[in-house]
Amino acid sequence: GESVGLHLPTLSVQEGDNSIINCAYSNSASDYFIWYKQESGKGPQFIIDIRSNMDKRQGQRVTVLLNKTVKHLSLQIAATQPGDSAVYFCAENIPGNQFYFGTGTSLTVIP
Amino acid sequence: GAGVSQTPSNKVTEKGKYVELRCDPISGHTALYWYRQSLGQGPEFLIYFQGTGAADDSGLPNDRFFAVRPEGSVSTLKIQRTERGDSAVYLCASSLKPSGTQYFGPGTRLTVL
Repeated sequence: GESVGLHLPTLSVQEGDNSIINCAYSNSASDYFIWYKQESGKGPQFIIDIRSNMDKRQGQRVTVLLNKTVKHLSLQIAATQPGDSAVYFCAENIPGNQFYFGTGTSLTVIP
Repeated sequence: GAGVSQTPSNKVTEKGKYVELRCDPISGHTALYWYRQSLGQGPEFLIYFQGTGAADDSGLPNDRFFAVRPEGSVSTLKIQRTERGDSAVYLCASSLKPSGTQYFGPGTRLTVL
């Protein structure tokens, strides 16, 4: 079956530093990936997505990198702020199939 | 515009009871998904609707779980003879089209005593 996992379950960073959250996936047929942010008591919130025909996509203060060779996805957050503290999930999708979510990484920003 | 809404936000019930959880997707979104999330875990897929029909219900854990979407908009997840192990946050998401970006509701926290 599919496996979407994160290398680090917890991450603490100083405010203003950059954060990198990693995710591994196992199914080479996955062609769409999404990063979600989930704050306590809330549903996951879409951050950024990327399709398999790209290896990098940038948003506002966030960048997603996709390395299909090693089936690795990362989320980079620039100038991390206290409001970025949350659990971050990656999700993968195979066309016509469901989305699979990883366990999540808890990001704590230290003021 | 309104996002995905779910009611109730919290539901406490006793073992063996029947519960219904409701999801109102974003207007115009044809695809609707139900997930279950346990503490410290990512969302676990339950069922996916395209329009009125269940396109994939492979995630439903057993026949106590059932979901409907009779008019292709609002969906109800129904759980019969609830068990303590059913306690979790039930999340609903909708997307404009299949395999499109999913937008989540706030979830319903179900507690089975």
